[in-house]
Amino acid sequence: DSGVTQTPKHLITATGQRVTLRCSPRSGDLSVYWYQQSLDQGLQFLIQYYNGEERAKGNILERFSAQQFPDLHSELNLSSLELGDSALYFCASSVGGGGLAGETQYFGPGTRLLVL
Amino acid sequence: AQSVAQPEDQVNVAEGNPLTVKCTYSVSGNPYLFWYVQYPNRGLQFLLKYITGDNLVKGSYGFEAEFNKSQTSFHLKKPSALVSDSALYFCAVRDDRGSTLGRLYFGRGTQLTVWP
Repeated sequence: DSGVTQTPKHLITATGQRVTLRCSPRSGDLSVYWYQQSLDQGLQFLIQYYNGEERAKGNILERFSAQQFPDLHSELNLSSLELGDSALYFCASSVGGGGLAGETQYFGPGTRLLVL
Repeated sequence: AQSVAQPEDQVNVAEGNPLTVKCTYSVSGNPYLFWYVQYPNRGLQFLLKYITGDNLVKGSYGFEAEFNKSQTSFHLKKPSALVSDSALYFCAVRDDRGSTLGRLYFGRGTQLTVWP
């Protein structure tokens, strides 16, 4: 158990809908990262938050947004869902902002999203 | 541009034999290299990392990895494979500079199967 929690574990929804994925980082970690894992794209970085502020942005669609709250949990919002958004969404956390040499990202169990 | 290649989609070994899972990387600056393992319906578990120093890195569950700067490789090894090592293995790299600081770049993954 990495200490990173994600809810829900599974989500089934329809095209055009909006969903929210939630992540709680390990105790003491200030950064939260979101990754998408799909068969065709592999594991792709979406976005990073550090202590409530957006730190880095990757291949995140405009239909997707995220935020990190004062208690450091994070939410990833996916809207106007398409079939191709079906994937496993991982959250990871690390102690710093990503620049420390020995910094390791610890991953949660993921949320499996199925868009029908 | 930063990237990771895992040239083998699948590696099959007999229990008790040594195993190697290959990884090569490309980064602009100095690499920070990681191996993660994913069991079915589970998140990514951290195995080991290379930051600097000794080229042979030891990690969890008897795994080790050898960093080779001239060949830009970071192969995962284990002297004696177990059936329980069967899983999906991911190599990842993080750059030590630039706007992508903190972001992990993953390979496509290698499915390791150890048969009894």
